[in-house]
Amino acid sequence: AQSVAQPEDQVNVAEGNPLTVKCTYSVSGNPYLFWYVQYPNRGLQFLLKYITGDNLVKGSYGFEAEFNKSQTSFHLKKPSALVSDSALYFCAVRDVNRDDKIIFGKGTRLHILP
Amino acid sequence: EAGVAQSPRYKIIEKRQSVAFWCNPISGHATLYWYQQILGQGPKLLIQFQNNGVVDDSQLPKDRFSAERLKGVDSTLKIQPAKLEDSAVYLCASSLVEREAYNEQFFGPGTRLTVL
Repeated sequence: AQSVAQPEDQVNVAEGNPLTVKCTYSVSGNPYLFWYVQYPNRGLQFLLKYITGDNLVKGSYGFEAEFNKSQTSFHLKKPSALVSDSALYFCAVRDVNRDDKIIFGKGTRLHILP
Repeated sequence: EAGVAQSPRYKIIEKRQSVAFWCNPISGHATLYWYQQILGQGPKLLIQFQNNGVVDDSQLPKDRFSAERLKGVDSTLKIQPAKLEDSAVYLCASSLVEREAYNEQFFGPGTRLTVL
């Protein structure tokens, strides 16, 4: 069965430093991978996705993610963190060769320290 | 463009009572999803519609939960009777075309349900 793991409940980063939020996945076929962000009292917002092609994907608000097939990872990155990046981040995966259901990770809370 | 609308934003009920949530997706989005997000967890898909037909309801507790999308636009999710473990945020999302699985979903603000 497909699954997605976010190993860190919380990540703390100083403002201006690079940030990484980790995500690993397990699917039987080819994955479609997504990152969403959730601000307090708001719904999830799409950040970026990997479907095919270049392993480095660029998205909203300066975020990017790198698809690594051998490590089955799709870590979210940003070169220089902003306090406004503080939020809850969700990784999600679809196994398009099976039941096509989207599975979300449990989320990682990113806290940017001023 | 207008986003996904949901109401109410908050609801407090006692166990064994009934509750209904409403969702209006983005205009033109054929696919609509209902998710349950329990505190500390990621969203879990409850049901997925394409137009007014159900695509996936495998994780919907059908003994107490029901959902409909009669005209292929708005949708209602109902819980009857509610249990304490139903306390969660209920998220509605929509997307353009489900079979093109790479389309991102657009989420509403959610309804926070507290069951006492």
